[in-house]
Amino acid sequence: DVKVTQSSRYLVKRTGEKVFLECVQDMDHENMFWYRQDPGLGLRLIYFSYDVKMKEKGDIPEGYSVSREKKERFSLILESASTNQTSMYLCASTDGNSPLHFGNGTRLTVT
Amino acid sequence: DQQVKQNSPSLSVQEGRISILNCDYTNSMFDYFLWYKKYPAEGPTFLISISSIKDKNEDGRFTVFLNKSAKHLSLHIVPSQPGDSAVYFCAASEDRGSTLGRLYFGRGTQLTVWP
Repeated sequence: DVKVTQSSRYLVKRTGEKVFLECVQDMDHENMFWYRQDPGLGLRLIYFSYDVKMKEKGDIPEGYSVSREKKERFSLILESASTNQTSMYLCASTDGNSPLHFGNGTRLTVT
Repeated sequence: DQQVKQNSPSLSVQEGRISILNCDYTNSMFDYFLWYKKYPAEGPTFLISISSIKDKNEDGRFTVFLNKSAKHLSLHIVPSQPGDSAVYFCAASEDRGSTLGRLYFGRGTQLTVWP
């Protein structure tokens, strides 16, 4: 069974801090994604990657960056956290032939 | 602009009855559609999908219907059970054959099934 693991379930950070959200998948999937989920707004795509060292902007990339140094790991970086980045962050992966498989999410609070 | 729309933020259904969740889309290039279910504090889990070459797909209590001319799909749950209470997201993809796997999601519908 596919396992997508997000390193933290809950995080509390201060405004201006640099924040790293880590995601690891164990199925050798090429494609990995970062979404954020906010009430009433659904799931919005931040960044995605279809190969190591490759990245593509999603619909709301502002204030974020990503890193994909290894195939199994996809990191989301908040360069300078702001309160409007308080959200549930969801990582997902797929080999392109099966539905997206999500991790359990990281609930980030920026104070 | 939202390409996948779920216009009902919530739905309340009695146990044993049918739940019908609706979804509309605007992009005529979408050719693959999925439904995900999400419980609080968990990631979304895949429920059922349908290709644009079909108009119906069934899996146990779950059936998805696709009306391409209306750009509309619906998820039917029969019979509904309290454990079905969750947020349901409709999603669409432009190219089923793509290795990219990018999905466009609706805003979700909170389904509550009461005893």
